[in-house]
Amino acid sequence: EVQLVQSGGGLIQPGGSLKLSCAASYLTVRSNYMNWVRQAPGKGLEWVSTLHPDGGAYYADSVKGRFTISRDSSENTLFLRMDSPRADDTAVYYCATNSNWHFDTWGQGTLVTVSS
Amino acid sequence: QTVVTQEPSFSVFPGGTVTLTCGLNSGSVSASHRPSWYQQTPGQAPRALIHSTNIRSSGVPDRFSGSILGNKAALMITGARADDECSFYCGLYMGSGIWVFGGGTKLTVL
Repeated sequence: EVQLVQSGGGLIQPGGSLKLSCAASYLTVRSNYMNWVRQAPGKGLEWVSTLHPDGGAYYADSVKGRFTISRDSSENTLFLRMDSPRADDTAVYYCATNSNWHFDTWGQGTLVTVSS
Repeated sequence: QTVVTQEPSFSVFPGGTVTLTCGLNSGSVSASHRPSWYQQTPGQAPRALIHSTNIRSSGVPDRFSGSILGNKAALMITGARADDECSFYCGLYMGSGIWVFGGGTKLTVL
């Protein structure tokens, strides 16, 4: 069974930097559409970013220029680097695969709190 | 700015039928948006229910069905059960690699 295991969340100061990880089992990260979706406390889901198998990266306007999605094929892991975070980036961040035009497998989520 | 609209809340009696909708502030939802639906209970990751308008994900009972109704995507739940009480989100593909989720509908089973 495909499994996504996340790590790397925590408290980060505004203007700092943090890198989230998502390790995949029984799925090859470089061959799949890999995504980050977040959920602010008490709020709905927000798509953040997608990394295509061909390396194309796409971002929501709210994070463009500040967040970077990447992958490490040797580690079979997806990453999200968060630079210059703001208070409104505080959320549970989920990694997810996207196949057949939907987000089908989700990680367990990791909480990122941006606060001084 | 693209906004995907969903009813903030909905109530249904056990055994009843409810239809949740997913619209766009800037036009109609069509099959080309590849509407998908997700179920989320508090503290848990979302679970995919429906994709590409009306295809159920593996293991999803046929009590859940998707369609396009007028200018919106729709999720119909029949035979509502107590454990259907949770939040439901729709997702739309806007093209050019961009996805948008609706604000979610909190379903109460009375």
